[in-house]
Amino acid sequence: DTAVSQTPKYLVTQMGNDKSIKCEQNLGHDTMYWYKQDSKKFLKIMFSYNNKELIINETVPNRFSPKSPDKAHLNLHINSLELGDSAVYFCASSLGTSPLHFGNGTRLTVT
Amino acid sequence: SQQGEEDPQALSIQEGENATMNCSYKTSINNLQWYRQNSGRGLVHLILIRSNEREKHSGRLRVTLDTSKKSSSLLITASRAADTASYFCATDANTGFQKLVFGTGTRLLVSP
Repeated sequence: DTAVSQTPKYLVTQMGNDKSIKCEQNLGHDTMYWYKQDSKKFLKIMFSYNNKELIINETVPNRFSPKSPDKAHLNLHINSLELGDSAVYFCASSLGTSPLHFGNGTRLTVT
Repeated sequence: SQQGEEDPQALSIQEGENATMNCSYKTSINNLQWYRQNSGRGLVHLILIRSNEREKHSGRLRVTLDTSKKSSSLLITASRAADTASYFCATDANTGFQKLVFGTGTRLLVSP
């Protein structure tokens, strides 16, 4: 299936831990994104990569570090997790400025 | 602060009725997009309207854009239970890269 897939779907971890979320797209898109959706469903962009280069970096704590090994992958590593990091994280991709294709999200719960 | 605000926050209708959702935004835009999110899933793109367009149709969807009022509306005609979802508007401010700013969303419940 052509899609944006992210793993894991659920992630439960304790404060202070380090975790990673992986994202892959097989749509041939050149731009990938990470969005965070909070408990009120508000969706905010975190990062965007175009052809493996960081092009958008919103005001995100430097505990969050994206890595794009190639155009089809954009991973998100989070250090020293905090309670406030609990949210649903969405990966998305697009071809240039075409509409976004989203993954199904990773629900992160920090206890 | 968030760019887009939508109203109503929640809308409950019967199958066959029309559903109208409104979106307001704050700055000039290149285009405005509408997305649907089913529970527990990612967002799905529905329709894009450019800043020089006033109305656009796609199947049972009709979108209007009024750049003078910085507002848009999404009309879903002859709604179905399967239309139950959250609907978000998103604006692209034409900064060179696509940086969509999403609204607060409208939760639509369509009852059989």
